[in-house]
Amino acid sequence: QSVLTQPPSVSAAPGQKVTISCSGSSSNIGNNYVSWYQQLPGTAPKLLIYDNNKRPSGIPDRFSGSKSGTSATLGITGLQTGDEADYYCGTWDSSLSVYVVFGGGTKLTVL
Amino acid sequence: QVQLQESGPGLVKPSETLSLTCAVSGYSISSGYYWGWIRQPPGKGLEWIGSIYHSGSTYYNPSLKSRVTISVDTSKNQFSLKLSSVTAADTAVYYCARARGDYVDYWGQGTLVTVSS
Repeated sequence: QSVLTQPPSVSAAPGQKVTISCSGSSSNIGNNYVSWYQQLPGTAPKLLIYDNNKRPSGIPDRFSGSKSGTSATLGITGLQTGDEADYYCGTWDSSLSVYVVFGGGTKLTVL
Repeated sequence: QVQLQESGPGLVKPSETLSLTCAVSGYSISSGYYWGWIRQPPGKGLEWIGSIYHSGSTYYNPSLKSRVTISVDTSKNQFSLKLSSVTAADTAVYYCARARGDYVDYWGQGTLVTVSS
């Protein structure tokens, strides 16, 4: 059972917009930055968003991040078939000690 | 370009110690950042194992802390993971990574470690 809660799956048609939620608590999301990762089948995860809403170089602005209170959201616009992947949120957690926690992951299907 | 490459046995017997090494190229570990290990059981999500700062300070997942040791060898520009008393539940793809505190900006390709007799 993951510390951060994500929906197991989301789906949308090509060209549409989708959002993926990540819910936590005051010991993690509420007091820390959130990052998001994309994991294509059979590959290592790739950083999409860091510090809640910043995109690394090379990540298109179709991907966006936001945070409010103890929840965060990843948004993807102009969906492409190549976006079909697993998406994970992550942040620090300080409930027991300081360490990184991830959400359980969300499978995005582009119909 | 920063690159990380895991190496180590792909098969470990139950109760033994899993040992992996991550070779870093394109960046000197002694220059900074955190260097960590993350694992992913087959068909499941990501689990943070722990990380080490270039100075040697370590941060471990509380659920694994009693069995984990992460160390760094700046002379070889590599860092290592040791996980003791393994069981089948430790079967996973193990990734090494460069972490900027709470997020990972570079990942290794991952190596599958199976725990079985």
